[in-house]
Amino acid sequence: NAGVMQNPRHLVRRRGQEARLRCSPVKGHSHVYWYRQLPEEGLKFMVYLQKENIIDESGMPKERFSAEFPKEGPSILRIQQVVRGDSAAYFCASSGQNEKLFFGSGTQLSVL
Amino acid sequence: QKEVEQDPGPLSVPEGAIVSLNCTYSNSAFQYFMWYRQYSRKGPELLMYTYSSGNKEDGRFTAQVDKSSKYISLFIRDSQPSDSATYLCAMSANYGGSQGNLIFGKGTKLSVKP
Repeated sequence: NAGVMQNPRHLVRRRGQEARLRCSPVKGHSHVYWYRQLPEEGLKFMVYLQKENIIDESGMPKERFSAEFPKEGPSILRIQQVVRGDSAAYFCASSGQNEKLFFGSGTQLSVL
Repeated sequence: QKEVEQDPGPLSVPEGAIVSLNCTYSNSAFQYFMWYRQYSRKGPELLMYTYSSGNKEDGRFTAQVDKSSKYISLFIRDSQPSDSATYLCAMSANYGGSQGNLIFGKGTKLSVKP
């Protein structure tokens, strides 16, 4: 019974490149959430998706960030033209309807 | 004023001690309160979940919520070295599919010395 799977665990990008972070939710879960954890900061909500729909993106930066959860395949968090300030741990969580969140182990993004 | 305040520590205690972790919050709409444990380089793991005010006990862990004071606590009895981790409080106004928009504290780093 696999939990939330995130890959890669570590991602290094140079400024201006694109970062793509993947998240496979717990089998049967249709709700996916992305959080960001900056150094010395708490987890911050970014976006909540259901299959093929963005439900709440109130925590997403207005530019360069996008997320999707297609009908087939993992959820993707995409960051275009990365900057040093994007360096952080990005966590994905999933849940069933009205159920608690299960978090993945995160992707540590480092921007050089 | 931040929505959720949590002392980052670090907190160091001897094995067997009772540990008290706390958070305060400002949004009176919060009704759901959670404590997560996060080991280094891992994702948060839900420890305790409480709705509204009151106490909840699970083994060595007790969660307390005082909505009148906007104050929540997590107590760990007979602490063990394996309890060494960062403890995050989290809260939200809703539960269910949209409850994933949790507001987290910054976390308290706990070290239990053998």
